[in-house]
Amino acid sequence: DQQVKQNSPSLSVQEGRISILNCDYTNSMFDYFLWYKKYPAEGPTFLISISSIKDKNEDGRFTVFLNKSAKHLSLHIVPSQPGDSAVYFCAASALNNFGNEKLTFGTGTRLTIIP
Amino acid sequence: GAVVSQHPSRVICKSGTSVKIECRSLDFQATTMFWYRQFPKQSLMLMATSNEGSKATYEQGVEKDKFLINHASLTLSTLTVTSAHPEDSSFYICSAPHTGRTLAGQETQYFGPGTRLLVL
Repeated sequence: DQQVKQNSPSLSVQEGRISILNCDYTNSMFDYFLWYKKYPAEGPTFLISISSIKDKNEDGRFTVFLNKSAKHLSLHIVPSQPGDSAVYFCAASALNNFGNEKLTFGTGTRLTIIP
Repeated sequence: GAVVSQHPSRVICKSGTSVKIECRSLDFQATTMFWYRQFPKQSLMLMATSNEGSKATYEQGVEKDKFLINHASLTLSTLTVTSAHPEDSSFYICSAPHTGRTLAGQETQYFGPGTRLLVL
């Protein structure tokens, strides 16, 4: 049962345009959401996150939007740059029974920025 | 910022041998560390939570006798893949939580660079 879904396995965007990556979740216990960027054979790199009490968080070129009622979040990158080409993972967080934060990852979206 | 390291970065071994992967938090203490596994073109799957001073907690479907976890100190957790087989070939990543939750849009976990395991 995939609790965090990224329905687009890949996305190509022209350099300078906006990249929009989408993520849907099913578990209403998730209360913190994060986006990670990942290159092959490397660990994920944190990009931006958002708490469930907010609907938008912005950091430079990256903005994350959260729609709790739709259980949907999106990452906007503008303007897109060639260095943004990577796999992007959406992750959702909830505390487990031991009080530890447990991350559930989506399947990832490969973003390719076309020069 | 905080750094988590993993060693080795890649390992090739014969089927039936055991492989140990180390995860270290370099400039902070971590009473908890997490171990993930990533198959090609798939998501990162949480395998287990490593707890300093107590037993690890495993996710459903993960064999605890197959994947031995030892949280030896506040800066070191090890994952041992016992009697490795080709189907254990994967990319293993550890992470360590930051100091509690924040609401300020900050990172909550720091990830290691990962270990590529290839079992022949």
